[in-house]
Amino acid sequence: DTGVSQNPRHKITKRGQNVTFRCDPISEHNRLYWYRQTLGQGPEFLTYFQNEAQLEKSRLLSDRFSAERPKGSFSTLEIQRTEQGDSAMYLCASSSWSGDSGNTIYFGEGSWLTVV
Amino acid sequence: GQQLNQSPQSMFIQEGEDVSMNCTSSSIFNTWLWYKQDPGEGPVLLIALYKAGELTSNGRLTAQFGITRKDSFLNISASIPSDVGIYFCAGQTSGTYKYIFGTGTRLKVLA
Repeated sequence: DTGVSQNPRHKITKRGQNVTFRCDPISEHNRLYWYRQTLGQGPEFLTYFQNEAQLEKSRLLSDRFSAERPKGSFSTLEIQRTEQGDSAMYLCASSSWSGDSGNTIYFGEGSWLTVV
Repeated sequence: GQQLNQSPQSMFIQEGEDVSMNCTSSSIFNTWLWYKQDPGEGPVLLIALYKAGELTSNGRLTAQFGITRKDSFLNISASIPSDVGIYFCAGQTSGTYKYIFGTGTRLKVLA
């Protein structure tokens, strides 16, 4: 039973470059979430998918950010024209509704982005 | 982004002491989750709560879903050095599957 997998774990990029992160959820989970976390803060919601449909997006998800989940399995989060303020850990989580355990979400280990 | 109020922000305690922390919201939640996060890692689920008034334990950890549905509490009994880390609460309201997270409680245990 593998957990949520994210890669790359670390990415250093120059300002203005594009970066892409990938998330592979727990295999039977139909919901997938992206969160952003900066130092000293709790995770902040960015967006979530149910199967391949993107159902909700935060205002934090600016025009430079795009997330996809084309086949309802893995997801990618792309940041275009990166800025120093994008430096953060990007967390992916997944869940599946269960009568016993509700909509409990499980996180991956995160992808650290440093924009220099 | 929106975050829940969590207190205390940080605490130093002696090994063997009990710890209490809480999370409050102005909104009513239908699910509360508690996580622990170590530096550089993703949050790890500790306890999930689904009903108002529910009290759930996981080893030395006990969490409660407040009866007003606007707060939750986490207690750690007989703390040990490996309890060091940041503890986050997360709440979900009806009509959405997203979770809002607290600001975190940083726990340091003195041996």
